[in-house]
This record gives sequence, C-alpha cells and structure tokens, in this order.
Amino acid sequence: AQSVTQLDSHVSVSEGTPVLLRCNYSSSYSPSLFWYVQHPNKGLQLLLKYTSAATLVKGINGFEAEFKKSETSFHLTKPSAHMSDAAEYFCVVSLYNFNKFYFGSGTKLNVKP
Amino acid sequence: SQTIHQWPATLVQPVGSPLSLECTVEGTSNPNLYWYRQAAGRGLQLLFYSIGIDQISSEVPQNLSASRPQDRQFILSSKKLLLSDSGFYLCAWRDRGNNEQFFGPGTRLTVL
Repeated sequence: AQSVTQLDSHVSVSEGTPVLLRCNYSSSYSPSLFWYVQHPNKGLQLLLKYTSAATLVKGINGFEAEFKKSETSFHLTKPSAHMSDAAEYFCVVSLYNFNKFYFGSGTKLNVKP
Repeated sequence: SQTIHQWPATLVQPVGSPLSLECTVEGTSNPNLYWYRQAAGRGLQLLFYSIGIDQISSEVPQNLSASRPQDRQFILSSKKLLLSDSGFYLCAWRDRGNNEQFFGPGTRLTVL
C-alpha cells in the first residue's frame, strides 16, 4: 500500500529564516514523489518532483527537496522564507504506473514579518 | 501549451438538488483525468480517475458520479446533493508522456 504522512499540519517561520516541511512516505515500489503548493482558493502548482534521478531535487521559487530512501523521507526546504511563500503545501507519492497519486494531508506554512 | 478549464468557479446549491461540474483540457490528447475533493481543513481526496473515454474508476463510494463523453472532457455529477458534498473540487490531468499532474483552478461548492 502507498501512503504519505506530512508530519506537521502547521508550520510558522519568520521572514528570512529557513523553511522545513516534513514528508514521509510508504510504498511497495520505487515511488515518484512531488511537492505541490496551493494558495487560498486556487488550484495546485507543482513545486518539484523526484523520479529516480538525482536525489536532491531543485524546484521553483528556491525550494528543494531531498529523497532519502533509507529514511523514506522527502522533506521540502528553502533557505530563506518570503512572505509570498505562505500557502498550503502537499506531498504526493505516485506508483510506477502513475494512474494514481496519493496526497498527504497538507502543511500550512505561515510566514511572519 | 496545455490548459485546463473548470466551471463554474463557485456554486451554491440547496440540499437535494442536482450537480454538474465540467472540466476540459486543451492542448493534449488522451490524457488521464482526475476529480479530487478538498474539504475544509483536509487534504485532497481522489474521487474518480479516467484513463480514456467512458473508462472511469471510482475511488470512494458516494452519491457522486463521473463521465467522460469526450477525450478531453470530464464531468462530475450528482442527482441529489448532500450537505457533506460541500467542498473545493479540483480537476487534474496527466500527460502520458510524463508523470506530472496539472490542476485546474477549482470549483467551490457550497450545499445549503
């Protein structure tokens, strides 16, 4: 079975400080992993994806994530938070046949001035 | 380039009324199509996915149904809405050439 656990439902950081959003997955097969961002009342935008190439993946807006198979983790990081980063973030796992995508419950990021 | 449309953007319906939400994709052929629901304060729940015309898989038993009458059209329906059907409905597509999902702007449904 496949599942995704986002360990924090809410994360609050100050502008200019690092961001860490945690994600653990379980999968019977080699997974593809994604991070999406959703601003209020908007659709989801892809931040980055891992598909068995480099384990450190760089995405848009300065975000990156590292795939750690031994820890079954795919944490999202950014060195310096910006006010515009305030949104909800979803970690997603997909199987090799890609017909289904499994979403975590989401992490709301609050950025304080 | 590819574009995904959803309408309406917002909808307020009484309990027991019917529902029809439409999603169309432009700029791609034979995509996989998906309907998700996002309830307040919760993650995304996959409702239906389709790998082709008239090929629909239901993920969660409920009073909703989906149809795909054309290659790039995906419709979510209900004969009688329940209060619990309120939420934010998102349509998505996946190009078979890669494994990324692209999402529409969503429909905010409120059932009163």
